[in-house]
Amino acid sequence: EDQVTQSPEALRLQEGESSSLNCSYTVSGLRGLFWYRQDPGKGPEFLFTLYSAGEEKEKERLKATLTKKESFLHITAPKPEDSATYLCAVQARTGGFKTIFGAGTRLFVKA
Amino acid sequence: EPEVTQTPSHQVTQMGQEVILRCVPISNHLYFYWYRQILGQKVEFLVSFYNNEISEKSEIFDDQFSVERPDGSNFTLKIRSTKLEDSAMYFCASSEDWTLETQYFGPGTRLLVL
Repeated sequence: EDQVTQSPEALRLQEGESSSLNCSYTVSGLRGLFWYRQDPGKGPEFLFTLYSAGEEKEKERLKATLTKKESFLHITAPKPEDSATYLCAVQARTGGFKTIFGAGTRLFVKA
Repeated sequence: EPEVTQTPSHQVTQMGQEVILRCVPISNHLYFYWYRQILGQKVEFLVSFYNNEISEKSEIFDDQFSVERPDGSNFTLKIRSTKLEDSAMYFCASSEDWTLETQYFGPGTRLLVL
């Protein structure tokens, strides 16, 4: 069964303290892995799509990487406005258009 | 920047009543989706829709749910007879085509069934 597990559940950082969020996945042939940001009471906001192991993408203070079993979202020198829940999701090649989400990592960045 | 819109933002209904949640996807997108998120839980896939028909649905999407694209812009989710456990945030999403899996989400409709 396709599965996505994110860790940690919650992460508290001081402003400027870099860290990484983990997304482990089990999928029958990966079509794509996605990172989203979700603010309270809002819809997920697209950040990155990764397609194959070794791929990396960057956007401002965020960098996403992908291996055959997991993905990392690295946050460099975070600011309070980076506080949000970060969601990882996958699509399998055999899963049609079904996207499977992890439970997310709640990030709190303190000034 | 184009965005997915959803109405209403909040809906309160009595158990057993029918509700229709509405979405306007991004205009050049061809693939449409509904998800739900029960408070404090994961985002869950409900259904995907392409070329005026359902392309995939989850086990959650049973006979009480239906989707429709009644015109060239709207995409709706109907829940025929609401249950207490249908209370959740419902998100609509759209994507440009099958080769681009990136889905853009709307702000959601918070449904409360009493």
